[in-house]
Amino acid sequence: GAVVSQHPSWVICKSGTSVKIECRSLDFQATTMFWYRQFPKQSLMLMATSNEGSKATYEQGVEKDKFLINHASLTLSTLTVTSAHPEDSSFYICSASPTRTEAFFGQGTRLTVV
Amino acid sequence: AQKVTQAQTEISVVEKEDVTLDCVYETRDTTYYLFWYKQPPSGELVFLIRRNSFDEQNEISGRYSWNFQKSTSSFNFTITASQVVDSAVYFCALLLHGSGNTGKLIFGQGTTLQVKP
Repeated sequence: GAVVSQHPSWVICKSGTSVKIECRSLDFQATTMFWYRQFPKQSLMLMATSNEGSKATYEQGVEKDKFLINHASLTLSTLTVTSAHPEDSSFYICSASPTRTEAFFGQGTRLTVV
Repeated sequence: AQKVTQAQTEISVVEKEDVTLDCVYETRDTTYYLFWYKQPPSGELVFLIRRNSFDEQNEISGRYSWNFQKSTSSFNFTITASQVVDSAVYFCALLLHGSGNTGKLIFGQGTTLQVKP
């Protein structure tokens, strides 16, 4: 199957700082990538759809100015959590696919804001 | 509306017991895909199976089997002779194939399976 790599696996940051998470497709090109968020003991919720060369599409209730998404190339999408606060602490995971009918996930990033 | 329901929040079994995880989905699309993922404590999502809406054949892979029934909109997952290593959260998910739905998944709430020795 296709490989998606996400970095970092975990990060601890101070309140008010920004954190960047990278999602890379290693062996295929992805015009679309997805960012999900998962709170403890909850399901995965789609945050946004990252589109190469254009603006991301955010789900209802997700602040686009807080969660900046940049899909600058066909193999890389980044999610930047700006001015992070403790309530942003969560598990973030990306997915991508070479086709429209599959989904391959990165390893996920556990963000803790202190 | 598209929706995936996993009614069982938590299941606890003793090793070697068989266990079935239920999944019911809702969609008006005729073409769609259903998935099961396993999420161990480390957090990564481990792909288990993908099934398209036109293939209702049941599948068996080792101790795992899946029962897809379009008549009841269900895609249930059975683990035979469960093992402690099967302990994890299991997610059922729906992927729509229509325009604008490029790989976006709708997840169920997840079922936490605990297999006791």
